[in-house]
Amino acid sequence: QLQLQESGPGLVKPSETLSLTCTVSGGSISVTSYYWAWIRQPPGKGLEWIGSMYYSGSNSYYNPSLKSRVTISVDTSKNQFSLKMSSVTAADTAVYYCARQLVALNYFDYWGQGTLVTVSS
Amino acid sequence: EFVLTQSPGTLSLSPGERATLSCRASQSISSNYLAWYQQKSGQAPRLLIYAASSRAAGIPDRFSGSGSGTDFTLTISRLEPEDYAVYYCQQPGTFGQGTKVEIK
Repeated sequence: QLQLQESGPGLVKPSETLSLTCTVSGGSISVTSYYWAWIRQPPGKGLEWIGSMYYSGSNSYYNPSLKSRVTISVDTSKNQFSLKMSSVTAADTAVYYCARQLVALNYFDYWGQGTLVTVSS
Repeated sequence: EFVLTQSPGTLSLSPGERATLSCRASQSISSNYLAWYQQKSGQAPRLLIYAASSRAAGIPDRFSGSGSGTDFTLTISRLEPEDYAVYYCQQPGTFGQGTKVEIK
C-alpha cells in the first residue's frame, strides 16, 4: 500500500523560505504514469493546487499564482520529493499535502496526511 | 481564469436521503479530467470519482458521478452517517470551493 508522509518545520518566519519533503513508501517514485504534487489548504478554507512534477524532473507545472515563489524537486535515490516556497507571508499559513497524480487523467489518488505550516514571527 | 463553482455551499439532509451536489465549470472541459473528493474534518481528501463517472477503488456504489461539458454532478443515493463531510470537485490545476453535507 502506497504511503506518503510530509515532513518539515511547522513554523516559518515571514519573508523566509518554506521547505517541506514528502517521503514515499510502499512503491517507487520513479514510475512513468504519475506526477508528484503539492496541494495546500488554509485553515477553514478550500484546496489549492501548488504544483506537480514528473519523477525525472523533465516536466513540472505550477499554479500561475504561486509560480514565481515555488520550486518542486524530486530525489529518486531517497524516494522523496520536495517543495520550496520563498518569501512567505501569513497568507501562506496552511496544511500542506503531498499527493500522487495520475498523468493521464490528472486526479490525485494517494495523499499524505498533511502538515500544518504556520507563518509567524 | 478557469473557475469551478460548486453549489450549494451547504446541504442539510437526513440519513437515508439523496444528496445532489453540483460543479459548474467556467468553460467546457473534458469529462476525463473531472474528479470528486471527500474530506472529513482533520483528514486528507479522499478520491471518490474520476473521469466524471468512474468510482475509485473501494468507493461504495451509493456514490455516483455524471455530467459533461460545463455541468457535473455528484450524487449520494442514500446518505450514511459516514458521508457527512465536505466534497470538492477538481479539474487539472483547480479545485471547486467545496460543498458541505451536514446532518439535518
